[in-house]
Amino acid sequence: QQQVKQSPQSLIVQKGGISIINCAYENTAFDYFPWYQQFPGKGPALLIAIRPDVSEKKEGRFTISFNKSAKQFSLHIMDSQPGDSATYFCAARRAGNQFYFGTGTSLTVIP
Amino acid sequence: SQTIHQWPATLVQPVGSPLSLECTVEGTSNPNLYWYRQAAGRGLQLLFYSVGIGQISSEVPQNLSASRPQDRQFILSSKKLLLSDSGFYLCAWVAGGGADTQYFGPGTRLTVL
Repeated sequence: QQQVKQSPQSLIVQKGGISIINCAYENTAFDYFPWYQQFPGKGPALLIAIRPDVSEKKEGRFTISFNKSAKQFSLHIMDSQPGDSATYFCAARRAGNQFYFGTGTSLTVIP
Repeated sequence: SQTIHQWPATLVQPVGSPLSLECTVEGTSNPNLYWYRQAAGRGLQLLFYSVGIGQISSEVPQNLSASRPQDRQFILSSKKLLLSDSGFYLCAWVAGGGADTQYFGPGTRLTVL
């Protein structure tokens, strides 16, 4: 059973556009929601994270929007650049530091 | 600063052969340690996690096993590899004491032929 559902599976965005990736969860015990960026052949790297008591968090061009009542959260990449082309994973953590990952979104930013 | 190492970086093994992948973390004490597998173009599947020496929890029953002989060492093993064991194996850690962030190692690319 997929604990965290992520969409879309792939995304193509023009340079300068906004990339939006969505995730949904069911388990209300999750208390921490990170997003990871992964380049081919590399391990995932933490991009930005949020706790459920905050509705939005922004770091540079990256913003997480969190809707606790809908049990959904999303990553917005503003002014998308070709260097942002990578696979993005959302995740959710429950007590005991168990992390559950979405299936990933392959983002391609075309010049 | 904290660092995580994995080796080997790549490995090609025949079906039925044994496996040993090693992960070590530097610069932290009593971390939570994790093994994930990532199939080509797929998400991250949690295989094992450990909250302390000798403490291993398995998420998915299979022919793999894990051990934590030292505080900052995590080993993934198999007695007989299957074709389906091919994938990208990632070790990860979270600092002890209630930290949030999970950090990943560089990964091991395993191909079983």
